[in-house]
Amino acid sequence: DTGVSQDPRHKITKRGQNVTFRCDPISEHNRLYWYRQTLGQGPEFLTYFQNEAQLEKSRLLSDRFSAERPKGSFSTLEIQRTEQGDSAMYLCASSSLDLPSEKLFFGSGTQLSVL
Amino acid sequence: GDSVTQMEGPVTLSEEAFLTINCTYTATGYPSLFWYVQYPGEGLQLLLKATKADDKGSNKGFEATYRKETTSFHLEKGSVQVSDSAVYFCALSVYNFNKFYFGSGTKLNVKP
Repeated sequence: DTGVSQDPRHKITKRGQNVTFRCDPISEHNRLYWYRQTLGQGPEFLTYFQNEAQLEKSRLLSDRFSAERPKGSFSTLEIQRTEQGDSAMYLCASSSLDLPSEKLFFGSGTQLSVL
Repeated sequence: GDSVTQMEGPVTLSEEAFLTINCTYTATGYPSLFWYVQYPGEGLQLLLKATKADDKGSNKGFEATYRKETTSFHLEKGSVQVSDSAVYFCALSVYNFNKFYFGSGTKLNVKP
């Protein structure tokens, strides 16, 4: 169990550029979540996969955001035409359908700064 | 909608002091409740949980009781240590754990 890993740890980009983040969950975990966290706030739900199927997406998520989980393994989160308001920590978490399925394992996050 | 409200921080205590961090929730259905902790430089990790009313979750000396009548899940510890310094998040989940709602976090500083 190597834990949930996210890459990169930090990303600085200019407004209008596209960025892509990667998350590698714990290998036997079939659920994968993306959350966003801004300073002084708790994680905010973005989207959720069960295996390769994206089952839920936050209504707050604009069309500029897209996530994929091909083959039910790693996941990518892409933000197109970044805006300064996208600056945040992007967290990935995974869990297993087997009990205790409510236990999320979080990665250390990708800190995005949009200049 | 579903949400969690927790007391604002930071909370600063001396070692061996008693800790309470308040958390209240609003939920449709019957939520499960959690406390997650984030130590400096690390990812969030589950501290304790309770899945039904009157359950008490406990771990590492921390406790929280699921109170349906007051919609609360307050975190307590009888004697804090410097190593407990972290940010604590209250959270809830409904409907088969496909979505979690987190509070804004409470930073705890414990001084020797």
